[in-house]
Amino acid sequence: DTAVSQTPKYLVTQMGNDKSIKCEQNLGHDTMYWYKQDSKKFLKIMFSYNNKELIINETVPNRFSPKSPDKAHLNLHINSLELGDSAVYFCASSHSTDTQYFGPGTRLTVL
Amino acid sequence: QKEVEQDPGPLSVPEGAIVSLNCTYSNSAFQYFMWYRQYSRKGPELLMYTYSSGNKEDGRFTAQVDKSSKYISLFIRDSQPSDSATYLCAMSRLTGTASKLTFGTGTRLQVTL
Repeated sequence: DTAVSQTPKYLVTQMGNDKSIKCEQNLGHDTMYWYKQDSKKFLKIMFSYNNKELIINETVPNRFSPKSPDKAHLNLHINSLELGDSAVYFCASSHSTDTQYFGPGTRLTVL
Repeated sequence: QKEVEQDPGPLSVPEGAIVSLNCTYSNSAFQYFMWYRQYSRKGPELLMYTYSSGNKEDGRFTAQVDKSSKYISLFIRDSQPSDSATYLCAMSRLTGTASKLTFGTGTRLQVTL
């Protein structure tokens, strides 16, 4: 009964490939987020959706495309993966502007 | 200049010590202030959440906010080895129906026996 779950936990892939990371929350929240944590542990917001509507879109390459099929899911699709995309990606959710709860992370390694 | 500055540590203290973790910020638009704890290879976990200047206590943890100085602190009393983790300060601005969190770089804490 994990609150915010992500799949896969680990993802190893070659440069140039396309991959997706899935996120699901069972907290009944209406807002979901994607964050990127780099090798120096710096955590930075990428996107936020509220009820399937894009609310926050930071300066992220357009190779990254979030998709929200419903308010409990927010997936991240990455095209033409580059070495610099290697990082840990965290999904989070909240009830509107309230406290954000984070998932366990997906460790992406691009070779 | 980064919006949020946090000493990366590492900080090593003996068990039972009082730990003080600090962040400074430059953006007056921040409205809410949080401390997250992150164990190795895990997601950040919320420890403390506050929105006004002053102190907030929860067990061994006390969060302090000074908006006039743009400075926040987290104090851990009677530190335990299980407190060994990276502590991230975070500050938020409301953006419509979402809140945009800006994190510090995190302070790695090691509590030794």
